[in-house]
Parts: sequence; structure tokens; C-alpha cells
Amino acid sequence: DAGVIQSPRHEVTEMGQEVTLRCKPISGHNSLFWYRQTMMRGLELLIYFNNNVPIDDSGMPEDRFSAKMPNASFSTLKIQPSEPRDSAVYFCASSVTGGRTGELFFGEGSRLTVL
Amino acid sequence: AQTVTQSQPEMSVQEAETVTLSCTYDTSESDYYLFWYKQPPSRQMILVIRQEAYKQQNATENRFSVNFQKAAKSFSLKISDSQLGDAAMYFCAYRRAGNQFYFGTGTSLTVIP
Repeated sequence: DAGVIQSPRHEVTEMGQEVTLRCKPISGHNSLFWYRQTMMRGLELLIYFNNNVPIDDSGMPEDRFSAKMPNASFSTLKIQPSEPRDSAVYFCASSVTGGRTGELFFGEGSRLTVL
Repeated sequence: AQTVTQSQPEMSVQEAETVTLSCTYDTSESDYYLFWYKQPPSRQMILVIRQEAYKQQNATENRFSVNFQKAAKSFSLKISDSQLGDAAMYFCAYRRAGNQFYFGTGTSLTVIP
């Protein structure tokens, strides 16, 4: 079975540019999470969707960040305009709400560098 | 609020020896899951082991086992017969019944040949 698929794996952009990160969760999973990982702050939850509806976006840093989940098989995280401090690895993860195993399945992450 | 604490930022172990990574958590709930994830240099987050809070028996997966102390809210990971491939960052995670996950800050494990 395919795991969580993220694209791009690496993105280098200049300050002020728009960045869009994409995620395809595991088929049948109804919860999707976006995390940001940096050395300074560790793993931070940005936003969490359940059945395509945003449940908790309290971790979204500011209005420059937005996330959508138009359907059960696709989500985007957009940063506009990007800033150097946004440089991080962004992970998408999915799970089954109330699932027997309860675990999160992670994608391979998107490493973003903003110059 | 739920918090997960990993008090050991770094640990090292000799190859073939045993190491224990510590994790404590804070919760008022009785039904939850606990996990250990491994993140090697490739950065992929890999599930190592899980524990359901209602189970008294400690989970075991080959060389990996946990010591789950529910009353003490402690969830340590023991790695036996450590191998070079075990070198990674290890994250302890808590999942509440409402499907929200909380991660610790991680422990970087070095395996010395």
C-alpha cells in the first residue's frame, strides 16, 4: 500500500515567494495533520483536519500560512509570502480516527529553504 | 493540557548493549495511546512501538520494549542489543481519545561501534 505522499521533497525559494506543499494521505484515513519541524522548536502541529474539516488550526503561525483539504485524498499547505524563518521540514501525516492501532503515518517530509 | 516530556536530549550506547530512553506525560484522561517514533537521518518518521493505556502488559517488538507505568505517567523505551542502525532521534508521543497527538522534544541516540 502507498504511504502518505508529499511533494515536493525539497523546495528552495526566495523570500516573498509563494510556496505550496502537497499531501496525499493514505486511502481510507480520515484525519490529516500538518507538522513543522525545526531544530529550535522541534515538531509543531500546524493544523489538523478530520473528514476534510479543519478541527484545530491554532498552530498555524500567522496569516501567511493557510491549509486546505478539498477532498479526502488531497491537502495543501500554502505560505504566502514566504520568509527565511519559515525554513523547516514540513510533515504531513494521516490516521484513522478511532482506529484500532491509533498511530500516525508520516510522509517523508518536504524540506523548505527560504533564502 | 497534555504534555510529553523527554528529559534526555542525547543518549549514547555501545553496540550490542542496552539503552533506556525516558518519557513522561501529563494527562487527566484514562483512555489514550502512547508511541515511540524513530527518525533516522533520512528524516522519515517510523513507528517503533505503541501501547494502549488500557493494556497492563508492556508492549514488545523484537529488540524494543516499553516500561509503561500508568500511575506514574511514565513510558520508557528499552532497546536491547543495540545496532548501528538504531542511531536516530526518538520521539515519544501521546494520542488522546479525541485523535490529537502530542510529541516530546526527542532524544538523539548515538550507537558507538
